[in-house]
Amino acid sequence: GAVVSQHPSRVICKSGTSVKIECRSLDFQATTMFWYRQFPKKSLMLMATSNEGSKATYEQGVEKDKFLINHASLTLSTLTVTSAHPEDSSFYICSARSPDGTHEQYFGPGTRLTVT
Amino acid sequence: DAKTTQPPSMDCAEGRAANLPCNHSTISGNEYVYWYRQIHSQGPQYIIHGLKNNETNEMASLIITEDRKSSTLILPHATLRDTAVYYCIVRVEGSQGNLIFGKGTKLSVKP
Repeated sequence: GAVVSQHPSRVICKSGTSVKIECRSLDFQATTMFWYRQFPKKSLMLMATSNEGSKATYEQGVEKDKFLINHASLTLSTLTVTSAHPEDSSFYICSARSPDGTHEQYFGPGTRLTVT
Repeated sequence: DAKTTQPPSMDCAEGRAANLPCNHSTISGNEYVYWYRQIHSQGPQYIIHGLKNNETNEMASLIITEDRKSSTLILPHATLRDTAVYYCIVRVEGSQGNLIFGKGTKLSVKP
């Protein structure tokens, strides 16, 4: 199946700083990517849908000015957590829709963000 | 997308079949049943999906009741590496929408 990678896998940053997480589709082009957040022992919560060449669509309650999403190419979407706070510490997971437009959504391995 | 109900946790002995149930009584006629799993600290992994016929692949089998109101994911010979949270999701195939994850079932495979 298709492969989605994320970088970095783990990041620790200081409160008030910004951190960028990359999501890449390695062997296919993805016009649509998704960003999820997962707190410990909780399920995945969709944050936003990222469309190549256009603005992301954010879910209710997600601050678009805090979580900046850029999908500048068909193989790369980035999530930047701006002015990070300890409560932003979480597991961030991206996924990309199958290029054949059918059923599958391929997930990245996730990025563990810790804000100190 | 229709809502699903799964037991919060299940245990299974290594080598035995794991049968994970899912209720989706409000499923629409054009909605598929998808199963994903998430091993600790990893991204979700697609397992299988189906509309109304039973499906089988190298990972699992999916049994959907005739009225489509429930389904069962079967791992025929569970191994310790199958310990994970299993999510049952219903949605229209090829939908422009996203996958909505519920709480899933935490399957613990024990030696």
